[in-house]
Amino acid sequence: EPEVTQTPSHQVTQMGQEVILRCVPISNHLYFYWYRQILGQKVEFLVSFYNNEISEKSEIFDDQFSVERPDGSNFTLKIRSTKLEDSAMYFCASEGSSYNSPLHFGNGTRLTVT
Amino acid sequence: AQSVTQLGSHVSVSEGALVLLRCNYSSSVPPYLFWYVQYPNQGLQLLLKYTSAATLVKGINGFEAEFKKSETSFHLTKPSAHMSDAAEYFCAVSDPAQAGTALIFGKGTTLSVSS
Repeated sequence: EPEVTQTPSHQVTQMGQEVILRCVPISNHLYFYWYRQILGQKVEFLVSFYNNEISEKSEIFDDQFSVERPDGSNFTLKIRSTKLEDSAMYFCASEGSSYNSPLHFGNGTRLTVT
Repeated sequence: AQSVTQLGSHVSVSEGALVLLRCNYSSSVPPYLFWYVQYPNQGLQLLLKYTSAATLVKGINGFEAEFKKSETSFHLTKPSAHMSDAAEYFCAVSDPAQAGTALIFGKGTTLSVSS
């Protein structure tokens, strides 16, 4: 069964550094998402992306964050200047175009900001 | 605005016992509702979903959930727990108007199963 893949599985970075989290969605999917889960807390929506532009974003997704689909297969989340509170598990998800199409999640990237 | 509330951050059952994980939702429109499971160090896996068809929804691994509009609930049940059911369970809601809408998750319930 096709799956969403995320790399790396674990990223450690210093505060203030830029990080790029990578995702390869399922190939025929059209909607792409990033969610995050701070340790011990709920999964929170960050941003959705469709037709090469952001379709929806949450309050968390401020100017430090950006998303891109540079080559038609990868879907990236960039955090320009990481803060300690950005430490979390980041999940990528993709969805097909049919009405009842479920969301498929990747296994996540654990980001640790020191 | 939509939201879900999961009652009980931690539920412990014995192997073979009934599993009941509670979820109540708030939505201004008829919602789509989901249960996801997260095993350690893994992503979120869809257990089942309610999309306005049958109110009793059967999912994978013997789980099922019943949509009760009068109670704004979507509780997850399994008649007999198995050790492999130990995981984190998330209830989620979305606006069914179109694809591409964000899922709103509850805080999750950790299910522990003892032998």
